[in-house]
Amino acid sequence: DAKTTQPPSMDCAEGRAANLPCNHSTISGNEYVYWYRQIHSQGPQYIIHGLKNNETNEMASLIITEDRKSSTLILPHATLRDTAVYYCIVTNNNAGNMLTFGGGTRLMVKP
Amino acid sequence: DAGVIQSPRHEVTEMGQEVTLRCKPISGHDYLFWYRQTMMRGLELLIYFNNNVPIDDSGMPEDRFSAKMPNASFSTLKIQPSEPRDSAVYFCASSYRVWLDNEQFFGPGTRLTVL
Repeated sequence: DAKTTQPPSMDCAEGRAANLPCNHSTISGNEYVYWYRQIHSQGPQYIIHGLKNNETNEMASLIITEDRKSSTLILPHATLRDTAVYYCIVTNNNAGNMLTFGGGTRLMVKP
Repeated sequence: DAGVIQSPRHEVTEMGQEVTLRCKPISGHDYLFWYRQTMMRGLELLIYFNNNVPIDDSGMPEDRFSAKMPNASFSTLKIQPSEPRDSAVYFCASSYRVWLDNEQFFGPGTRLTVL
C-alpha cells in the first residue's frame, strides 16, 4: 500500500467545516483512498472512499486532487461527537481487503 | 443486524495463562479480520480470513498467537502463553465484498490486560 501523511492533530470550532488533509504522493492508478475514524474507546468506523472523483455521503465529502496525490476529508458542520482520530488509507482493492492504518489525525471539535 | 460482536469486552489475566478472544462477524460477510491496537504501535492487522480460510497471517506476532474460524459465524484469537506485552485492545472486523468496496465493520474490541 502507498504511504499516507496526515497532520497529527487539528482543532475545529463546533458548527464549522472540518477539513482534514492527507498526502499520498506515491498512490498507484488502481489504489483507492479510504477514510475511517475512531471515536475514543470504540472500533474504527468507515466514512467514505474514492478513486478519482469527488465523493459525498451523509457523513462527509471527499475531495481528491486531479493528480491524486492528495485528498481532503470535509465534515461540513462539525459537532462535538465528531471528535475522533481520522485515518486516511490508500489501498488496492485487489489486495485482499487489507487496510494499513497509520497514525491518523486527532480532530478536536471545540464548543 | 447487531453488528460485529466480540467477547469478552474486558479480560484481565496473569502472565502465562491462556487467553481466548471471540468474534461473531456480521451475517453474510465473507471476510474477517483481527487487529491489535496499542499506544506504541497503533492499529495493526494480525490475520484475516476469507470464507473461513486464513489468507494472510503475516501480522501475527509470534507462535504464541493463533486464530481459527471454524464456521462463517465464529472466530477465535488465542494467546498461549500470554505475556504482559500482549496487553492491548483487540478488534475484530468483517466485510462483504472486495471489488470497489472495502468497508470493514469493526466490533467494540476486547481490552486485554496481562499482569
